[in-house]
Amino acid sequence: AQSVTQPDIHITVSEGASLELRCNYSYGATPYLFWYVQSPGQGLQLLLKYFSGDTLVQGIKGFEAEFKRSQSSFNLRKPSVHWSDAAEYFCAVGARGGADGLTFGKGTHLIIQP
Amino acid sequence: AAGVIQSPRHLIKEKRETATLKCYPIPRHDTVYWYQQGPGQDPQFLISFYEKMQSDKGSIPDRFSAQQFSDYHSELNMSSLELGDSALYFCASSLARVSGSGNTIYFGEGSWLTVV
Repeated sequence: AQSVTQPDIHITVSEGASLELRCNYSYGATPYLFWYVQSPGQGLQLLLKYFSGDTLVQGIKGFEAEFKRSQSSFNLRKPSVHWSDAAEYFCAVGARGGADGLTFGKGTHLIIQP
Repeated sequence: AAGVIQSPRHLIKEKRETATLKCYPIPRHDTVYWYQQGPGQDPQFLISFYEKMQSDKGSIPDRFSAQQFSDYHSELNMSSLELGDSALYFCASSLARVSGSGNTIYFGEGSWLTVV
């Protein structure tokens, strides 16, 4: 069965500092990988996704993520965070093709301090 | 661009009542998913439909049922509601591809269900 681990429940970063959110997955084959962001009381917005090809993927709002097969990781990065980035971030893994549901990690709550 | 539309956005029901949530996928998307997100929890996959047939089943209680209609919209029916059913229910849609070329899943804003 597929699973996702986000080891950091909370992360606090100063505004303007760099950010890295960790995500490790377990999946029998090459997975689809996603990062979603959720602001309080809001829906899930897709930041970026990895399907195949270049292992460094660019997303919206200046985020990027790197797929490392050897480490089963898909860490999210941003060079300089803004106060508006404060939110809950979810990493998710899905099966290739078909219509299977995504498996989400427990989420990382990002706090931005002035 | 059109997104996934869910209704109602907020719903308050009493225990043992029934609730129905509706989902209208992005136009031309053939797959609908339902997720449940409890307070402070990650979204949990409930069920999905591809071309109006149930495709995958997750942790959906027996008290819940869902279907996808000919126009691809979907409804989640919840009966004998319990306090623990209070959650944010997400619908998502995608254009599924068996060949594995990638099917990005887009989420709606969610429907807040409160059971009192």
